[in-house]
Amino acid sequence: DQQVKQNSPSLSVQEGRISILNCDYTNSMFDYFLWYKKYPAEGPTFLISISSIKDKNEDGRFTVFLNKSAKHLSLHIVPSQPGDSAVYFCAASVQGAQKLVFGQGTRLTINP
Amino acid sequence: DGGITQSPKYLFRKEGQNVTLSCEQNLNHDAMYWYRQDPGQGLRLIYYSQIVNDFQKGDIAEGYSVSREKKESFPLTVTSAQKNPTAFYLCASRDQPGADTQYFGPGTRLTVL
Repeated sequence: DQQVKQNSPSLSVQEGRISILNCDYTNSMFDYFLWYKKYPAEGPTFLISISSIKDKNEDGRFTVFLNKSAKHLSLHIVPSQPGDSAVYFCAASVQGAQKLVFGQGTRLTINP
Repeated sequence: DGGITQSPKYLFRKEGQNVTLSCEQNLNHDAMYWYRQDPGQGLRLIYYSQIVNDFQKGDIAEGYSVSREKKESFPLTVTSAQKNPTAFYLCASRDQPGADTQYFGPGTRLTVL
């Protein structure tokens, strides 16, 4: 039972353009969502998060959008840079549950 | 520098042997977690601990064991009962009672020969 799904295993974007990574969830109890970035053979690095009381959160080039009615969130990276090439994981939690549920990841490749 | 350390980076084990992966944090975080990552899959939770001397099974605990004798340390033992132990293992910690953000160590790649 995959509660958090990233349906695109990979995405290729030209440098300077916008990268949009998508994530869907099925558990309506999730109230906190996170995005992590991971390079090969390294641990994931926390990027940005959003609480269910918001529908948007920005941090520099990164913006996360949450659509609760659709149970969908997305990560926008503008402008995309070569260093953004990595695997991106979305994760979700229920406050107080102490655990995160991760999606399968999307490999983002930024082409020069 | 505060952070999470995992050692070793690469570990090789003969089939049938137990092996222990180290995880240490100096962030003064209460909660610690172990995940494994397999190619094309997300992170799957093995065990977690919210406080010293207490831990809970995650989604894939079979064939693994943990201990939490000190706040800063959460070692994971991969036993011979684990059928597919070759994977990338990640340790994380989380400050309680703060938000649910977890911070990860660099990982250990375990290969069973």
